[in-house]
Amino acid sequence: EVHLVQSGAEVKKPGESLKISCKGSGYTFSKYWIGWVRQMPGKGLEWMGIIYPGDSDTRYSPSFQGQVTISVDKSVSTAYLQWSSLKASDTAMYYCARPVDTAAAGTFQHWGQGTLVTVSS
Amino acid sequence: SSELTQDPAVSVALGQTVRITCQGDSLRSYYASWFHQKPGQAPVLVIFGKNNRPSGIPDRFSGSSSGNTASLTITGAQAGDEGDYYCNSRDSSGNHHVVFGGGTKVTVL
Repeated sequence: EVHLVQSGAEVKKPGESLKISCKGSGYTFSKYWIGWVRQMPGKGLEWMGIIYPGDSDTRYSPSFQGQVTISVDKSVSTAYLQWSSLKASDTAMYYCARPVDTAAAGTFQHWGQGTLVTVSS
Repeated sequence: SSELTQDPAVSVALGQTVRITCQGDSLRSYYASWFHQKPGQAPVLVIFGKNNRPSGIPDRFSGSSSGNTASLTITGAQAGDEGDYYCNSRDSSGNHHVVFGGGTKVTVL
């Protein structure tokens, strides 16, 4: 059974850095894209970007390019989302998700439980 | 980039049928996927491709597409179908970029 398990909630101050994780299991991690999705409080889903663990090919939404970094360590079946300098507007729930098959980009069938990031002074 | 437009809210009587639409240029080239999200929970994929349901999704959920509009139909809505529904698709640039619609809040009366 496919599982994506995300790291726990974080409370940070503006300007701090952060790296959250998403560990996949139950499938061949290197063969499926992993995407990251933001959901700000009371708002809709926003696609941030996607990474292919096999070769670390990464695509970013123009809205998030330069704002975050998506990476992967396939040796531990884990994808990461990181910020170098958080802002209050980064406060949101962040989900990782895996598509239904190896070719699909946005057909996210499997989702992590979400990581709540709170940025407040 | 592309945008996908959804009506903000729709209501349906228990047991009746509701159609949720998603409009965007990218839908002329790519199928939409549909997700159901209940408060405090991660989204759940309900329809993908031409009209495919993941295992465990009831057959009262169906999808269709015409031109720049994709539709999700719930036939015989149940109380548990309440929540937010989001469409997504690849955007017009292809290249594995994806865009979500703004979401439709479904209320079952």
